[in-house]
Amino acid sequence: AQSVTQLDSQVPVFEEAPVELRCNYSSSVSVYLFWYVQYPNQGLQLLLKYLSGSTLVKGINGFEAEFNKSQTSFHLRKPSVHISDTAEYFCAVTSSGSARQLTFGSGTQLTVLP
Amino acid sequence: NAGVTQTPKFQVLKTGQSMTLQCAQDMNHNSMYWYRQDPGMGLRLIYYSASEGTTDKGEVPNGYNVSRLNKREFSLRLESAAPSQTSVYFCASSEIGLAGANEQFFGPGTRLTVL
Repeated sequence: AQSVTQLDSQVPVFEEAPVELRCNYSSSVSVYLFWYVQYPNQGLQLLLKYLSGSTLVKGINGFEAEFNKSQTSFHLRKPSVHISDTAEYFCAVTSSGSARQLTFGSGTQLTVLP
Repeated sequence: NAGVTQTPKFQVLKTGQSMTLQCAQDMNHNSMYWYRQDPGMGLRLIYYSASEGTTDKGEVPNGYNVSRLNKREFSLRLESAAPSQTSVYFCASSEIGLAGANEQFFGPGTRLTVL
């Protein structure tokens, strides 16, 4: 079985400050990892994904994430946030053993303050 | 190219009423999914369809039925709605790659309230 833990349910940060949203996963087989963003009253949009290769993955809107197999983590980072980054962020995992099942974390609400 | 579309956007039901949520995708994906989103719980899989003609239960299937009408359309039915089914429902589709990765594309959601 696979699972995802997002350690922070809410992250407030001031505009232009850096931010890190934490995600840890558990799986006994090879994993594929995703970060999705959900703006208010909208569906989920893919930010970035790790399938294989380089452990540092760059996504849209200046976000990046690093896959760390030894720590089973896939933390999301942005060096300087904008008001428009205010949204809920979901980490998700699927694995080679259960490709049909995308398991989501409980989400992190990022609020960027002026 | 509309991606994944869902109807209706909002719905209010009384306990015991039935309704069908509609979903369609124009990306020629084989796999389609229904999720519910509740505060603090992320998204939970209700049912999925790996390909036309097949459906399987997800994590929380009780109280729901699905139909994969054709490759484009996947509907979710509540036969007798209960207040516990008040939620936001998302449909998604994907084409699972050769490596097994499952990048899913989501619709805008249906906000359902059961009184």
